[in-house]
Amino acid sequence: GAVVSQHPSWVICKSGTSVKIECRSLDFQATTMFWYRQFPKQSLMLMATSNEGSKATYEQGVEKDKFLINHASLTLSTLTVTSAHPEDSSFYICSASTGTEGGGYTFGSGTRLTVV
Amino acid sequence: GEDVEQSLFLSVREGDSSVINCTYTDSSSTYLYWYKQEPGAGLQLLTYIFSNMDMKQDQRLTVLLNKKDKHLSLRIADTQTGDSAIYFCAETRSGGYNKLIFGAGTRLAVHP
Repeated sequence: GAVVSQHPSWVICKSGTSVKIECRSLDFQATTMFWYRQFPKQSLMLMATSNEGSKATYEQGVEKDKFLINHASLTLSTLTVTSAHPEDSSFYICSASTGTEGGGYTFGSGTRLTVV
Repeated sequence: GEDVEQSLFLSVREGDSSVINCTYTDSSSTYLYWYKQEPGAGLQLLTYIFSNMDMKQDQRLTVLLNKKDKHLSLRIADTQTGDSAIYFCAETRSGGYNKLIFGAGTRLAVHP
């Protein structure tokens, strides 16, 4: 079946630095990928929709300059958390759609970001 | 409040059936989904139902959809300890790209 690979699985960084998270569709092309953020014991909050070859569409309240999204190819989207602060610590999950029946939404395994 | 609502916690005995409920808001949703999340992991699609269906069964899983009341349920028969996880229902939300909107998740605890 469709596989979405997300790296790294976890990362610890210092305040003020930037962190890049990669999301790859391994055996299918994804023109659209989605980035979610999940706080402990809470639901997934959609941050943005990543579109290959164009600008990402951000949800209300999500800072575009803070969370940079690049969808450079049909198999890769990246989320960069710029000038990270402890409040950015969270679990970030990406998803891609295969476009098959049911939407074919496949999720990465998530990245746990800790900013110290 | 949440657009997609779920009860937060359910405890069942091993071997019993579990029923997890969800209400959603977008009547134009094409599909409705149930996902499972184990600690520290991503989401695993359990099943989905097309919006013009009332019921879908897949092995131990039964999904019931009441479109009139915008109510979705997931029944797990013969619940096992390996079913302990958080279960999210989700609806597709239209508007350019079909994005998934999740409920808060129901934590299922299975005890012997």
